[in-house]
Amino acid sequence: DQQVKQNSPSLSVQEGRISILNCDYTNSMFDYFLWYKKYPAEGPTFLISISSIKDKNEDGRFTVFLNKSAKHLSLHIVPSQPGDSAVYFCAASPAGGTSYGKLTFGQGTILTVHP
Amino acid sequence: GAVVSQHPSWVICKSGTSVKIECRSLDFQATTMFWYRQFPKQSLMLMATSNEGSKATYEQGVEKDKFLINHASLTLSTLTVTSAHPEDSSFYICSAPTSGKNIQYFGAGTRLSVL
Repeated sequence: DQQVKQNSPSLSVQEGRISILNCDYTNSMFDYFLWYKKYPAEGPTFLISISSIKDKNEDGRFTVFLNKSAKHLSLHIVPSQPGDSAVYFCAASPAGGTSYGKLTFGQGTILTVHP
Repeated sequence: GAVVSQHPSWVICKSGTSVKIECRSLDFQATTMFWYRQFPKQSLMLMATSNEGSKATYEQGVEKDKFLINHASLTLSTLTVTSAHPEDSSFYICSAPTSGKNIQYFGAGTRLSVL
């Protein structure tokens, strides 16, 4: 049962344009959402996060949008740069209880930014 | 961001031997750390939660006798893959949450190859 889904395995974007990566989730207990960037044979690098009480969080070129009713979030990268090329993982964490802090990851989306 | 160090980055071992992987939080204390596993072209799957001073808790389907976890101090958790077999070959990654547990920082990962 895939509780966090990234339905696009890959995305190709021209440098300077916007990259939009999407993520859907099914578990209503998820309360906090994160985006990570990952290169092969390396650990994920934290990019940006959002709490369920917000619908938008912005940090430089990265903006995450959360639509709680649709159980959907997206990561916008503007403008996209070739150095952004990597695998992007969406992750979700529940609010509390024994599962607090545990992350459930999506399958990842390979972003390629062409010069 | 916070720094999590993982060692070794790559290990090759013979079938039947045991391998220990270390995860250290370098600039913060972590009473809880998490161990993940990633197979090629797949997502990160949570294996277990490492708790300082108490037993680790394992996710469903993860053999606790196979993957021994020790969290002896506030900055160190170790994962020992006992009697490793080729099917244990994978990429193992640890993470440690900041205070409040919302954002997790990951180690660089350990590539285990069992011959």
